[in-house]
Parts: sequence; structure tokens; C-alpha cells
Amino acid sequence: QLQLQESGPGLVKPSETLSLTCTVSGGSISSASDYWGWIRQPPGKGLEWMGTINFSGSSSYNPSLESRVTISVDRSKNQFSLKLSSVTAADTAVYYCTRLCSGGVCRLDYWGQGTLVTVSS
Amino acid sequence: QAVLTQPPSASGTPGQRVTISCSGSSFNIGTNSVHWYQRLPGTAPKLLIYTNTQGPSGVPDRFSGSKSGTSASLAISGLRSEDEADYYCAAWDDTLSGWVFGGGTKLTVL
Repeated sequence: QLQLQESGPGLVKPSETLSLTCTVSGGSISSASDYWGWIRQPPGKGLEWMGTINFSGSSSYNPSLESRVTISVDRSKNQFSLKLSSVTAADTAVYYCTRLCSGGVCRLDYWGQGTLVTVSS
Repeated sequence: QAVLTQPPSASGTPGQRVTISCSGSSFNIGTNSVHWYQRLPGTAPKLLIYTNTQGPSGVPDRFSGSKSGTSASLAISGLRSEDEADYYCAAWDDTLSGWVFGGGTKLTVL
């Protein structure tokens, strides 16, 4: 059974960079047909797709965040990571890592538990 | 403001059938598949329905999905107390070139 687990600081100061890692277990992040991503949910708001990455490091981002977000992959650790720069209180959210696609089927079939990141001084 | 529109709340009594709607546009639901997720309190979202109507193994067939034009629906029959959760729809959006979601519907079992 595939499992995803987010990790990283729960508190980030305004203007700093938010960094989270997603560790994948029970499967390999190096499958050529798989795509992985980050999705967030600010308090009281809906879910927002942040970006996507595959095993080779090819990525795409939500245009609303593209200037601030970077997603990378570390195949040796079976992990992928999120960096969001110049954070403000509006970036306070629960952040989820997900498997977006597998075997040519895109359906966001596995999610991490989510981690709350608060932006505050 | 979510791209896909869902009612914020829905309710029903045990045994009833409840439907949750999800409305979009020709750029997302009208062209691409709709997926549904259940999020129980304090847990990760769980895939409930994919590709409009398909249920993953392990999901009870009390849950069903449909799509017509730019709208989709999730139906839950034989409502149970454990169905009390938040439900979200999602679809690929061709203008965003990314995923869009509904705002979520909180289902209460009375």
C-alpha cells in the first residue's frame, strides 16, 4: 500500500521560505508513469493545486504561485519537496502531497495526511 | 473562490439517498474527468470516485458518480453515520493546465 508523509516546520516567519518534504513508502517515486504534486488548503477555503513533478524532475506550477514555488525530487530518498518563498499569512494552510497520476491515469489516488504550516512572526 | 462550485453543506438521515453537485465549465468538467474525494475529520482525503463514475476497490457501491455536460454529481445511498465527512470534486482544467477543485461539501447525517 502506497503511503505519503509530509514533514517540515509547522511555523514559518513572514518573508521566509517554506520548505516541506514528502516521503513516499510502499512504492517507488521513480516510476516513469507517475506524477506527484502538492495541494494546499488555507483555513476556511478550498483546495488549491500548487504544482506537479515527475521522476525526472520535470515540473509545472500553478501560475498564481509560479514565481515563488519550486518542487524537486530526490529519487535516492524516494522523496519530493516543496519550497515556497516570500511567504505571507495568506500562505497559512494545510499542505498535502499527493500522487497525481499513475500508469497514465490521473486521479490523485494517494494523499498524505497533510501538515499545517502557519506563517507568523 | 473555488473554480468548481459545490453546495457548502448537505444533510440526510440514515438510510436516505443524498446527492452532492459539482458545477464547472467547458474547460474542466465539460472536457475532462471528474473525481470525488471524502475527507473524514483529521484524515487524508480518500479517492471515492474517479473518471466520473468509477469506484476504486474497497469503496462501497453505495457511492456513485455521474457527469452531464459541465456538471457532475456524487450520490450516496443508504446513508450511514460514518459517511459524515467533507466531500470534494476535482477535475483537470485546460486553461490552468492544472487541477481545480470544488470548495467542498460538508455532509451531516442527522
